[in-house]
Amino acid sequence: DTAVSQTPKYLVTQMGNDKSIKCEQNLGHDTMYWYKQDSKKFLKIMFSYNNKELIINETVPNRFSPKSPDKAHLNLHINSLELGDSAVYFCASSQDLRTSYQETQYFGPGTRLLVL
Amino acid sequence: AQTVTQSQPEMSVQEAETVTLSCTYDTSESNYYLFWYKQPPSRQMILVIRQEAYKQQNATENRFSVNFQKAAKSFSLKISDSQLGDTAMYFCAFMKPEINAGGTSYGKLTFGQGTILTVHP
Repeated sequence: DTAVSQTPKYLVTQMGNDKSIKCEQNLGHDTMYWYKQDSKKFLKIMFSYNNKELIINETVPNRFSPKSPDKAHLNLHINSLELGDSAVYFCASSQDLRTSYQETQYFGPGTRLLVL
Repeated sequence: AQTVTQSQPEMSVQEAETVTLSCTYDTSESNYYLFWYKQPPSRQMILVIRQEAYKQQNATENRFSVNFQKAAKSFSLKISDSQLGDTAMYFCAFMKPEINAGGTSYGKLTFGQGTILTVHP
């Protein structure tokens, strides 16, 4: 019944490694997002995808590569992890890109990434 | 760029009392949307309430209501009859239509810094 799910919930890894976070939504939404919440709890958008197409990339380093195999999934792959990548990463979705500026975004439970 | 400011890093309230969380924002737009999200210790981001800027009537959802002052660019959240389960971090967020380099319209949430609310028994 979970609307937006993410795996894993926790991820501890060493600097320099590559890791992926998966996101799935069963709401039938067209648009999905990745947000990053830093250690000060500040939330900032990273990417938005609509039906597998990249809509926005908010000046995120190219070590971060989102991949959308279909409109229900948006995965985040991070190469060469750095200490500063430690954060909570949230996936979210909203129904329709054309009206996304007025729609509620529904969030997943978050993935806490710790880079040692 | 839009900014959202929550000037109260922390607030506390006794159970059953009322508390108001402040939020101000800066925009030159007339068409936008405002949201309050709650993040309890479980970390889940939960929508509390939303307000359309074109609506003059303040939104309400059970014990939660907003005081939306468009001219003052203020969007405060009032929680009545506070419950222990209201303990959480509360984020104010703003959204308006944006256009990407390809000319596609989209929306993105801009969040405030958050206010930690503790409800005491």
